[in-house]
Amino acid sequence: DVKVTQSSRYLVKRTGEKVFLECVQDMDHENMFWYRQDPGLGLRLIYFSYDVKMKEKGDIPEGYSVSREKKERFSLILESASTNQTSMYLCASSSIRDGSSYNEQFFGPGTRLTVL
Amino acid sequence: DAKTTQPPSMDCAEGRAANLPCNHSTISGNEYVYWYRQIHSQGPQYIIHGLKNNETNEMASLIITEDRKSSTLILPHATLRDTAVYYCIVRVVGANNRKLIWGLGTSLAVNP
Repeated sequence: DVKVTQSSRYLVKRTGEKVFLECVQDMDHENMFWYRQDPGLGLRLIYFSYDVKMKEKGDIPEGYSVSREKKERFSLILESASTNQTSMYLCASSSIRDGSSYNEQFFGPGTRLTVL
Repeated sequence: DAKTTQPPSMDCAEGRAANLPCNHSTISGNEYVYWYRQIHSQGPQYIIHGLKNNETNEMASLIITEDRKSSTLILPHATLRDTAVYYCIVRVVGANNRKLIWGLGTSLAVNP
């Protein structure tokens, strides 16, 4: 089974802190994604990466950065956390190995981040 | 990618079939229909996808109308564990189009 793990299920940080959210997948997937999910807004894509050291902005990249130094690991960084970044953060991965890229995305359990 | 419209909520009795509709009237010929679900406090889970033909797997069946403007996800014998938010997404498949655009989905409540 594909497994996507996230470093924490719950996290509480203070305004202005630098926050790292880690995501690891064990299926050698090329694509990795970071979403945030808020009530009434659904899942919104923050960033995605299609290869090591490659990244593309999603729909709401402001206030976030990402790092992908190894294929299995994709980190989301909040340089200076703010209260409006309180949210559920979801990581996902997908493969294009079969060439069809039908994009079944496998999700981690999520990290509920609270910024005080 | 085309936009989808789903009812915000539905109820279903345990053991009965749950039929979840999705409208995608602006779908283009090379766009697939995907269904995911999200059980409370978990990440979304892929269910099924299709292009033109009806599809069935161990989780569900997907019925796509002939004009492809709408589809229905069928859970043949709903259980309490099927209570979740169900998302219908349409998108072009290809290496250059990796993103899924998520709506708000349908919140399905399976009642005992």
